[in-house]
Amino acid sequence: EPEVTQTPSHQVTQMGQEVILRCVPISNHLYFYWYRQILGQKVEFLVSFYNNEISEKSEIFDDQFSVERPDGSNFTLKIRSTKLEDSAMYFCASSEASIGAGEWFFGPGTRLTVL
Amino acid sequence: DQQVKQNSPSLSVQEGRISILNCDYTNSMFDYFLWYKKYPAEGPTFLISISSIKDKNEDGRFTVFLNKSAKHLSLHIVPSQPGDSAVYFCAARSSGSARQLTFGSGTQLTVLP
Repeated sequence: EPEVTQTPSHQVTQMGQEVILRCVPISNHLYFYWYRQILGQKVEFLVSFYNNEISEKSEIFDDQFSVERPDGSNFTLKIRSTKLEDSAMYFCASSEASIGAGEWFFGPGTRLTVL
Repeated sequence: DQQVKQNSPSLSVQEGRISILNCDYTNSMFDYFLWYKKYPAEGPTFLISISSIKDKNEDGRFTVFLNKSAKHLSLHIVPSQPGDSAVYFCAARSSGSARQLTFGSGTQLTVLP
């Protein structure tokens, strides 16, 4: 069964450093997403991406964040200057459908720890 | 922001019995609802969904009920199995923001053998 994969599974970084989280969405999916879950809190939407551009983003997704689909298979989330409060599980997801009954498939997540 | 609420952080049921997980929402723009299951160290796994034009959707042991007037949905698992033990998230999509899901805080289901 096709699945969303994410690397690395755990990333430790120093505050102020840049990190890039990587995802390989399901191959025939057209919509890509990043969500995050701070420990003990809800899963929160960050950004959606379609046709090589951001289609929606939340207020969490400020100028420190960016997304890219560099090569037609990978989908990346970059945090330019990490803060302690960026420590969270980051989930990539993808879906096939546009408006309608599309399932969002989630990857296993990357645990980001900012020291 | 409490647009999607799961008021029970945990639920324990005996194997073979019914598990009922509840979810309430406040945003009348939500038009599509999903349930996800999550094991530790894994991402959320899609279980079942329901459109706001329906009041019931069934898939094997899983049934989701939607009461729009009460802004309430529930997931029924019958019969419950020990492998169902996980955190269950209710999520909703708004017709005004069709590309993002709003999640509840989750309910830890424990199925006792």
